[in-house]
Amino acid sequence: LAKTTQPISMDSYEGQEVNITCSHNNIATNDYITWYQQFPSQGPRFIIQGYKTKVTNEVASLFIPADRKSSTLSLPRVSLSDTAVYYCLVGTQRGAGSYQLTFGKGTKLSVIP
Amino acid sequence: DVKVTQSSRYLVKRTGEKVFLECVQDMDHENMFWYRQDPGLGLRLIYFSYDVKMKEKGDIPEGYSVSREKKERFSLILESASTNQTSMYLCASIADRVDQETQYFGPGTRLLVL
Repeated sequence: LAKTTQPISMDSYEGQEVNITCSHNNIATNDYITWYQQFPSQGPRFIIQGYKTKVTNEVASLFIPADRKSSTLSLPRVSLSDTAVYYCLVGTQRGAGSYQLTFGKGTKLSVIP
Repeated sequence: DVKVTQSSRYLVKRTGEKVFLECVQDMDHENMFWYRQDPGLGLRLIYFSYDVKMKEKGDIPEGYSVSREKKERFSLILESASTNQTSMYLCASIADRVDQETQYFGPGTRLLVL
């Protein structure tokens, strides 16, 4: 199963763009990359998912290079409410109807006024 | 709106007690997971289930067992609780395809074993 590595923490000022990179060197062909956000005392919440190239939704963008050994979550113009822990996951399809998610240790993002 | 609920938000148990943590999802998802979360260690997978009565060990299954008698319910069992099982336990429910944006977590159960 692919393991993920991401920075332990990051600081950013309000209004800036934040990029968090995750490495997953042994990702398999059928694996997907997913990012979650977690606030204290809550379960993780889905942000974005991708397989390759670029994916964008209303809250974030996900950049995945051709070799897929890393991915970058981009949060545009962060606000104080974006202060949270961000997890990079690799989802491995194990067979019909079965798959496993591998979490990294998360990146604690602190947004400064 | 998908709901993943866990039976308790906070639980205090004594060493040696048998502990049941219940998770229920209402979206007919095939896959369900139990994680524990500890400071500095992130989320670690304990067990998962991809169908009724099916279970597979995750990364740290020792000291735990699970039960999936019905599709919507996945139980985590601590046969004899120990202090090193004090942690936040999170349940997740996912549809049957890894590329679908249908991955949801419960609010978590914070367990303290004295």
